[in-house]
Amino acid sequence: AQTVTQSQPEMSVQEAETVTLSCTYDTSESDYYLFWYKQPPSRQMILVIRQEAYKQQNATENRFSVNFQKAAKSFSLKISDSQLGDAAMYFCAYRSAYGGSQGNLIFGKGTKLSVKP
Amino acid sequence: NAGVTQTPKFQVLKTGQSMTLQCAQDMNHEYMSWYRQDPGMGLRLIHYSVGAGITDQGEVPNGYNVSRSTTEDFPLRLLSAAPSQTSVYFCASSFVKLGLYIGELFFGEGSRLTVL
Repeated sequence: AQTVTQSQPEMSVQEAETVTLSCTYDTSESDYYLFWYKQPPSRQMILVIRQEAYKQQNATENRFSVNFQKAAKSFSLKISDSQLGDAAMYFCAYRSAYGGSQGNLIFGKGTKLSVKP
Repeated sequence: NAGVTQTPKFQVLKTGQSMTLQCAQDMNHEYMSWYRQDPGMGLRLIHYSVGAGITDQGEVPNGYNVSRSTTEDFPLRLLSAAPSQTSVYFCASSFVKLGLYIGELFFGEGSRLTVL
């Protein structure tokens, strides 16, 4: 079974600086998706960025980028120029590309990010 | 486009009471699922469905029932609520194409349930 591990329960960053959140996963599959979701205090789950495993190029979305290391099964999120609105819980998630129960999203336990003004 | 709609957003129950959390999506998604979120545990899958008439258990199904009579709706039923079911519940859906899952899940806004 696949697992997702976020080893940092809490992180803190100064406004305008850069922070990296770590995520590792375990799978024997070759085709899958990886995601970072943001959950602010409103509790809405917001997709930050996604990565398809077959793509070697790291995904980027404005100030958010990932470092996807397929062989190492690592998927870290880098937030550049941190803003107060980035303060939230961040979840790393894995999803198989295949159907049935394999397609269910598997979450890490989350990293709570604080942004200091 | 409403996306995924969950009701109610907040509910307080007494132990032993029953209730249904409603979930509806208007994106014609075949895949729908229910997660619960507890502090320090991330989100854990309760039940899921890959189409009308098809449901299956996830990681933590005990105490919950689901049904999928239409593509749009996927209600979650608590038959006899227990304090351990105090949690935030999320419904989510996504496309399925030719048996393959297409990308991310779309989430509802969550429902906070408290069982006294």
